Amino acid sequence: GESVGLHLPTLSVQEGDNSIINCAYSNSASDYFIWYKQESGKGPQFIIDIRSNMDKRQGQRVTVLLNKTVKHLSLQIAATQPGDSAVYFCAENGDSSYKLIFGSGTRLLVRP
Amino acid sequence: ETGVTQTPRHLVMGMTNKKSLKCEQHLGHNAMYWYKQSAKKPLELMFVYSLEERVENNSVPSRFSPECPNSSHLFLHLHTLQPEDSALYLCASSQTLDTDTQYFGPGTRLTVL
Repeated sequence: GESVGLHLPTLSVQEGDNSIINCAYSNSASDYFIWYKQESGKGPQFIIDIRSNMDKRQGQRVTVLLNKTVKHLSLQIAATQPGDSAVYFCAENGDSSYKLIFGSGTRLLVRP
Repeated sequence: ETGVTQTPRHLVMGMTNKKSLKCEQHLGHNAMYWYKQSAKKPLELMFVYSLEERVENNSVPSRFSPECPNSSHLFLHLHTLQPEDSALYLCASSQTLDTDTQYFGPGTRLTVL
């Protein structure tokens, strides 16, 4: 069935290092992918998105990579800061434009 | 701030109570959503509205009743809930149903005693 999963439930990194959060998806019909960040006590916050006609997209300190061959998505955060500590979710659109399918999330912990 | 507000932020209710959650979006979007977020589970889509019409009812029990009086406001009416309904209820909006980016509010943390 449709699923979006994460390889690592918790990722601990040193402040200043780069972080890589991975996500696997199974629906080959998905053509839109989003990364969200959720801090404690807050709702998910949009970080960056990518469409299937692209392999890479960069934002401010973040990069999303899409590998359609192996159905893999990753979020790279450069120079990780304490404020980056949160749970990160990937989501795909599956067969629909509005029924996003969310992964279970990866918790990123930044050590000072 | 994302432009989506939710009230109350926290709610404790008994199983026989009736309460309502409110969501308001200030983004001029036409589509609004209710999600349920439980511990250790992915986000679950509950309801979708587009231009005040419900387009999705994702097998949600009838003790949850949504209402969308206009494109800026969305309510979730709650009655005779169960303890397992305790969760974070998130509202989101998108420009249209065909626009995939959804923007979330801060959520209402609901505890059912």
